[in-house]
Amino acid sequence: EPEVTQTPSHQVTQMGQEVILRCVPISNHLYFYWYRQILGQKVEFLVSFYNNEISEKSEIFDDQFSVERPDGSNFTLKIRSTKLEDSAMYFCASTPRAGGPETQYFGPGTRLLVL
Amino acid sequence: EDKVVQSPLSLVVHEGDTVTLNCSYEVTNFRSLLWYKQEKKAPTFLFMLTSSGIEKKSGRLSSILDKKELFSILNITATQTGDSAVYLCAVPKTGNNRKLIWGLGTSLGVNP
Repeated sequence: EPEVTQTPSHQVTQMGQEVILRCVPISNHLYFYWYRQILGQKVEFLVSFYNNEISEKSEIFDDQFSVERPDGSNFTLKIRSTKLEDSAMYFCASTPRAGGPETQYFGPGTRLLVL
Repeated sequence: EDKVVQSPLSLVVHEGDTVTLNCSYEVTNFRSLLWYKQEKKAPTFLFMLTSSGIEKKSGRLSSILDKKELFSILNITATQTGDSAVYLCAVPKTGNNRKLIWGLGTSLGVNP
């Protein structure tokens, strides 16, 4: 069964460093998302991406964050200068074509720890 | 403001018990409601509900939606220790973004 994959599974970084989180969505999906979940808190929407551009972003998704789909398969989230409060689990998700089910399929997540 | 509220926030039961988890929502242009199970990592999809009164069932899990009263319930019968997880309810926004509005989740613990 096709699945969303994410790398790395864990990332530890120093405050101020740049990190890139990678995702490979399911191949025929068209909508891509990043969410994050700080330990013990609600899953929070960060950004949605459709037709090679950001379709919506939350107030969390400030200038420190960017997303890219550099080729036909990868979908990346870059955090330019990490802060302690960026420590969280980051989930990538994708959904199928327009008009298809709204079910979002999640990757296993990348646990980011900023020291 | 769109919101999804789940109750209870946490619940501990014994194996074999039946549990009912609640999810209420206030979301504009509602079309569907999703239930996910989250163990250690990513939420895994359980059900998508779009119509009132039609029960979705998968093994010991079932769910139903009430679009008039704006809530859904998730039932788990004959609970097992493997059912211990956080159960998340989410409602997708319509349109191109389709972002999910999440509840806080119900943390279910099933003791042997």
